[in-house]
Amino acid sequence: AQSVTQPDIHITVSEGASLELRCNYSYGATPYLFWYVQSPGQGLQLLLKYFSGDTLVQGIKGFEAEFKRSQSSFNLRKPSVHWSDAAEYFCAVGAEYSGGGADGLTFGKGTHLIIQP
Amino acid sequence: NAGVTQTPKFQVLKTGQSMTLQCAQDMNHEYMSWYRQDPGMGLRLIHYSVGAGITDQGEVPNGYNVSRSTTEDFPLRLLSAAPSQTSVYFCASSDLNSFEAFFGQGTRLTVV
Repeated sequence: AQSVTQPDIHITVSEGASLELRCNYSYGATPYLFWYVQSPGQGLQLLLKYFSGDTLVQGIKGFEAEFKRSQSSFNLRKPSVHWSDAAEYFCAVGAEYSGGGADGLTFGKGTHLIIQP
Repeated sequence: NAGVTQTPKFQVLKTGQSMTLQCAQDMNHEYMSWYRQDPGMGLRLIHYSVGAGITDQGEVPNGYNVSRSTTEDFPLRLLSAAPSQTSVYFCASSDLNSFEAFFGQGTRLTVV
């Protein structure tokens, strides 16, 4: 079964500074990888996804992530954070259903991002 | 453009009561799923469905039932609520070819 580890429970970053959120996965085949963001009291919004091809993927709100197969990682980055980026961030891996399609996402436990003024 | 709609948004139940959390999507997605979110635990898959008439268990299915009679609807039933089921529940849907999950706004359930 697949698993996802987000090593950092909380991260504090100053506004305007760069950001990197770590994600490591365990899965026997080529994974489908996702980053979601959750603002307080809200549902989850997809930031970006990786299925195949270019290992550096661009997402919404200026985020990007890089898939590194050798390290089983899919870290999320942003060059300059804004106060509105304060939220909970979840990394997820999807398994391919035998008939095609995601067999349910496995989520990491999340990283809570705090932005200092 | 409604997307995934969950009702109710908030619910308080007494131990032993039953209820159904509703989930509807208007994107004609084959795949639908239910997750629960608990502090420090992330989201955990309860049940999922890959089409009408087909359901299967996820990581934490005990105490929950589902059915999928139409493409649009995927209700989650709690037969006898327990305090351990206090959580925020999310429904999601996705196209089987795109893998991108769209989430509802969640139902905050408290069992007392």
